Amino acid sequence: EPEVTQTPSHQVTQMGQEVILRCVPISNHLYFYWYRQILGQKVEFLVSFYNNEISEKSEIFDDQFSVERPDGSNFTLKIRSTKLEDSAMYFCASSLAGTTKGRAFFGQGTRLTVV
Amino acid sequence: SQQGEEDPQALSIQEGENATMNCSYKTSINNLQWYRQNSGRGLVHLILIRSNEREKHSGRLRVTLDTSKKSSSLLITASRAADTASYFCATDASSGNTPLVFGKGTRLSVIA
Repeated sequence: EPEVTQTPSHQVTQMGQEVILRCVPISNHLYFYWYRQILGQKVEFLVSFYNNEISEKSEIFDDQFSVERPDGSNFTLKIRSTKLEDSAMYFCASSLAGTTKGRAFFGQGTRLTVV
Repeated sequence: SQQGEEDPQALSIQEGENATMNCSYKTSINNLQWYRQNSGRGLVHLILIRSNEREKHSGRLRVTLDTSKKSSSLLITASRAADTASYFCATDASSGNTPLVFGKGTRLSVIA
């Protein structure tokens, strides 16, 4: 089965530092997503991306967050100035035709720890 | 929101027993998906059921959907210790490109 790949699997960063989480979605997919899961809590939607632009974002996705698909392969999530409360597991997902029409494939996640 | 809510929050059963988890949601949906998450790991897609479907099977999994009650159930038959995980339902709303919205999950423990 095709896979979404996320790197790194675990990242520790100092509060206030910028961090970039990387994802390689499945190659022919057109819709891309970032979700996060704070330890012990539910999976929360951050942002969706289609046709090289953000199609939807949640309240969590404020000005500190940005996404980019710089080279048609990678899909990145940047947090400009990390806060302690940004500590969470971040999941990237991709979908061929959007989750309305089919399943989303999730990566294994990046565990971000802000100290 | 069309947030799914699973119940029970936690379920503990003996190996070989069946496990049933329920999910309720609030708005009209295109489909409902069930995912599994082993502790601290990624989300694994189990099954997708569309709003015009009532029941779907995949191996030991059986999912039902009742759109009139806005609820779904996931049945795992003949459970194994390896089924121990958290199970989440996720709904896709019927308007726009609203992404999947996950419930809080059910933590299933299967005791050998």
